[in-house]
Amino acid sequence: GAVVSQHPSWVICKSGTSVKIECRSLDFQATTMFWYRQFPKQSLMLMATSNEGSKATYEQGVEKDKFLINHASLTLSTLTVTSAHPEDSSFYICSASLRLGRTDTQYFGPGTRLTVL
Amino acid sequence: KQEVTQIPAALSVPEGENLVLNCSFTDSAIYNLQWFRQDPGKGLTSLLLIQSSQREQTSGRLNASLDKSSGRSTLYIAASQPGDSATYLCAVDGNQFYFGTGTSLTVIP
Repeated sequence: GAVVSQHPSWVICKSGTSVKIECRSLDFQATTMFWYRQFPKQSLMLMATSNEGSKATYEQGVEKDKFLINHASLTLSTLTVTSAHPEDSSFYICSASLRLGRTDTQYFGPGTRLTVL
Repeated sequence: KQEVTQIPAALSVPEGENLVLNCSFTDSAIYNLQWFRQDPGKGLTSLLLIQSSQREQTSGRLNASLDKSSGRSTLYIAASQPGDSATYLCAVDGNQFYFGTGTSLTVIP
């Protein structure tokens, strides 16, 4: 089956530093990848849609200059949290879209837990 | 805008019981519906994926049904085990993914 990996699985950093999270589709090419964020006891919320070779589309309320997304290849998208602050502490999950025929199915990575001290 | 609701928010059952988790959504124009499991501090594990043209999917002790016209899905867990304790999320895919808030399941040994 389609597998999506994320690295790192967890990260702790100091306030003000930047953190990069990688999302890879291991056995398929994904023209579209998605980034989600989950705060405790809340649903996953879509942050942005990442298309290979073009700029990401951010959801309302998500700061594009703070959450930099790069989708440089069909198997890799990165999310960089710039100048992270404690309120950015969250669970970040990516998914990659696989098209089979006319159907697009999203496959999710295992997530990255970010803790900003 | 699509709204996904899961009932109950929390459920506690003794080991061995069969149980049903419910998911409802407001817009029936979906491509598929997925059920996920989330363990504390860990990522999502996809349990079952039902395409919009399907009515149910089965995997081991799990059975998920989909009634797209009424905007409902159920996840049936047979012979529950303590290891089934987790939060279960449903999500509908209709151009964008919409997640429910989840059902926290505790199976008591």
